[in-house]
Amino acid sequence: GAVVSQHPSWVICKSGTSVKIECRSLDFQATTMFWYRQFPKQSLMLMATSNEGSKATYEQGVEKDKFLINHASLTLSTLTVTSAHPEDSSFYICSARAGGSGELFFGEGSRLTVL
Amino acid sequence: GDSVTQMEGPVTLSEEAFLTINCTYTATGYPSLFWYVQYPGEGLQLLLKATKADDKGSNKGFEATYRKETTSFHLEKGSVQVSDSAVYFCALSDEAGTALIFGKGTTLSVSS
Repeated sequence: GAVVSQHPSWVICKSGTSVKIECRSLDFQATTMFWYRQFPKQSLMLMATSNEGSKATYEQGVEKDKFLINHASLTLSTLTVTSAHPEDSSFYICSARAGGSGELFFGEGSRLTVL
Repeated sequence: GDSVTQMEGPVTLSEEAFLTINCTYTATGYPSLFWYVQYPGEGLQLLLKATKADDKGSNKGFEATYRKETTSFHLEKGSVQVSDSAVYFCALSDEAGTALIFGKGTTLSVSS
């Protein structure tokens, strides 16, 4: 089946640094990609929706200058957490919508720990 | 706004036991309903879905029926296996088919 790959799967960084997480659709073209954040024992919360070649649409309460999303191609979206702080520590999950079927596929997630 | 509520876990069962994980939703219009499963160390996978009232989604022995009158989409399996141990998420999408709204997830642990 279709595969969505996230990298890195686990990252530890110092407070104040920036971290980039990649989300790739490996065998299909993704017209739309979504970024979610998941806290322990909590639901997945949608952060933003990105369409290839256009600016991402952020959910209410999500700082667009802190969570930079780029969807440069039909197979790659990136999430950059800028000037990360400990409260940004979380599990970030991307999903990609296949252009033909419209079905959603999820990456394995990336765990960010900010010290 | 739209929301999904599913039963708190963890759910611990013995192999071959009957499983029910409750899920109720709040939504305007006619959402589509989904169950996703996340096995240890893996990403979310679609388990089953239903797009209209009274539809029954089924896969791998799991079933869920879209009940509009009770706004529910409970997940059931007649005989669980150790390999079913995972986290199960109930989710909905609105009529426009935008991003999914998830419940908090229910951890299922099956022992032999």
